[in-house]
Amino acid sequence: RKEVEQDPGPFNVPEGATVAFNCTYSNSASQSFFWYRQDCRKEPKLLMSVYSSGNEDGRFTAQLNRASQYISLLIRDSKLSDSATYLCVVNWSRGNEKLTFGTGTRLTIIP
Amino acid sequence: DTAVSQTPKYLVTQMGNDKSIKCEQNLGHDTMYWYKQDSKKFLKIMFSYNNKELIINETVPNRFSPKSPDKAHLNLHINSLELGDSAVYFCASSRTSGDRREQYFGPGTRLTVT
Repeated sequence: RKEVEQDPGPFNVPEGATVAFNCTYSNSASQSFFWYRQDCRKEPKLLMSVYSSGNEDGRFTAQLNRASQYISLLIRDSKLSDSATYLCVVNWSRGNEKLTFGTGTRLTIIP
Repeated sequence: DTAVSQTPKYLVTQMGNDKSIKCEQNLGHDTMYWYKQDSKKFLKIMFSYNNKELIINETVPNRFSPKSPDKAHLNLHINSLELGDSAVYFCASSRTSGDRREQYFGPGTRLTVT
């Protein structure tokens, strides 16, 4: 089993739609969780951290379920500029900040 | 303002050569990292340094040698380059204290070995 597993994608959705990505992780001792986005031929950029109580940033909502070892990202009212690869990222420990990346889910928003 | 910068952006070289990539961060972070992103786009950590001390070394061939002259710089030297070393190499930095420990990435160095 992969350490961090994501929806395989690709997702092609029309502009304005709502899209959800899921991610599962294997290490129950994982401490912190993030969603990054990566545009083609660019570096990964932090989209948002994921907190236990769930958190929202504008059109983006992240949820964490520690019991099921599951993370989700919801994008509402999708824009063309949301087209990117979304990376689920998990940190096993604090003080030794080793991020483990999922393989990413490719999202294309269609006009 | 550039937060994490890398040079060069592109590097094309022949097998067997030795090359270096440089990274600098101006975020005041205490930890820096090297990642490799292969042709399948999988991003995997190679090394991390905290306050100039090596803390993560992920079974990378010893042809790869990181060096951190100070907290703001982390360089990667690669000896005897092989075809399989072709990839994009990303530098990143973060804090390891406090709540905000997110990693910030440089623009990447696209290495092509011919």
